[in-house]
Amino acid sequence: RKEVEQDPGPFNVPEGATVAFNCTYSNSASQSFFWYRQDCRKEPKLLMSVYSSGNEDGRFTAQLNRASQYISLLIRDSKLSDSATYLCAVIFNTDKLIFGTGTRLQVFP
Amino acid sequence: EAGVAQSPRYKIIEKRQSVAFWCNPISGHATLYWYQQILGQGPKLLIQFQNNGVVDDSQLPKDRFSAERLKGVDSTLKIQPAKLEDSAVYLCASSSPPLFFPGRLSGANVLTFGAGSRLTVL
Repeated sequence: RKEVEQDPGPFNVPEGATVAFNCTYSNSASQSFFWYRQDCRKEPKLLMSVYSSGNEDGRFTAQLNRASQYISLLIRDSKLSDSATYLCAVIFNTDKLIFGTGTRLQVFP
Repeated sequence: EAGVAQSPRYKIIEKRQSVAFWCNPISGHATLYWYQQILGQGPKLLIQFQNNGVVDDSQLPKDRFSAERLKGVDSTLKIQPAKLEDSAVYLCASSSPPLFFPGRLSGANVLTFGAGSRLTVL
């Protein structure tokens, strides 16, 4: 089993739609969780950290479910500019950041 | 604040040739990472340095890949000899450790990537 798993997609959604991605992780001792955004032919950039209590940043909401070992990212009111690959990342041991394969989102007019 | 610098941005070589990539992390960042990202996949950690010491190199193909960070600042990743399957983007990243603080809510210590070095092996 991979350490971090994501559905590669693509998710094709119309503007204004709500879309959610899940990411599962194998190590129950994992400590911190992140969502990164990667545009085509660009480097990944941190979108948001995922806290135990969940967190929200504008149209983006991240949740952590430790019992089921998954994190989620919800995007409300999708914009064309949200089209990108969303990478889940998990800290294993100390400061070792492992990424999933990414989920591709395409928002269409 | 200057970001993570990498060079070259693009490199095309033939199989069995050698190549080297250079990375200059954000000033003051003690932790430096090299990731390999093959098209359609997520970044795969190759090696992690803390200052000039190796923290993790379990995924580094040591028969052909080597990396060093002699003075705890710049780093070089070398591939010799290259194979077709080495075609990928090589991403360098840095952070000010630790990434994880128990109970930390602030995202201050994040991992920042450079623009990457795109390698094509023919």
